Amino acid sequence: QITLKESGPTLVKPTQTLTLTCTFSGVSLTTTGVGVGWIRQPPGKALEWLGLIYWDDAPHYTASLKSRLTITRDTSKKQMVLTMTNVDPVDTATYFCALLTPENAFDFWGQGTMVTVSS
Amino acid sequence: QSALTQPASVSGSPRQSITISCAGTSSDVGSYNLVSWYQQHPGKAPKLMIFEGSKRPSGVSNRFSGAKSGNTASLTISGLQAEDEADYYCCSYAGDSSWVFGGGTKLTV
Repeated sequence: QITLKESGPTLVKPTQTLTLTCTFSGVSLTTTGVGVGWIRQPPGKALEWLGLIYWDDAPHYTASLKSRLTITRDTSKKQMVLTMTNVDPVDTATYFCALLTPENAFDFWGQGTMVTVSS
Repeated sequence: QSALTQPASVSGSPRQSITISCAGTSSDVGSYNLVSWYQQHPGKAPKLMIFEGSKRPSGVSNRFSGAKSGNTASLTISGLQAEDEADYYCCSYAGDSSWVFGGGTKLTV
């Protein structure tokens, strides 16, 4: 059974750095074509793809946030970490991690974690 | 990447069929047969309904079907049921290991 779970702070102050962790189980990221993506959803708004990392490749980011995002992996802990610098209230959203499978779709999702950016 | 364009809302009666469009560009939808569709109920994580344009994951009802023509993909739901009421998002590969989602469509049954 494949599961993913996001964890991290629920409240972050503007200009601070947000760090979120995605812990997954039931899957090996060394499988070709398998990656972990980060997607966010502001309250009442649409999904937005943030970035993706494969086992054997550098991370990839959405162009609009590339300068503020870093995705790293710790395969021994089966974790992926998303770091977003200089957060702003517009970054308030539910952040999801999701498994990209060889079917080229985000087939498994975490429950999401709500992050509020406010002073 | 710009978000894919979906209608904000669609509605239908039980047992009817509806189609949700997803308009992209020649850089995403038009270039790759890698459009997926997700169903999201309030407060829940998205659920994959269609992948690679028209394929259904195991366990997804055959009432859901996907297609593509040019730069526009579509999701059709036939025999509408009350449980289909949800938000639907399309997503396309956009090259260079990047992905783009649509703006979402609220389906009312």
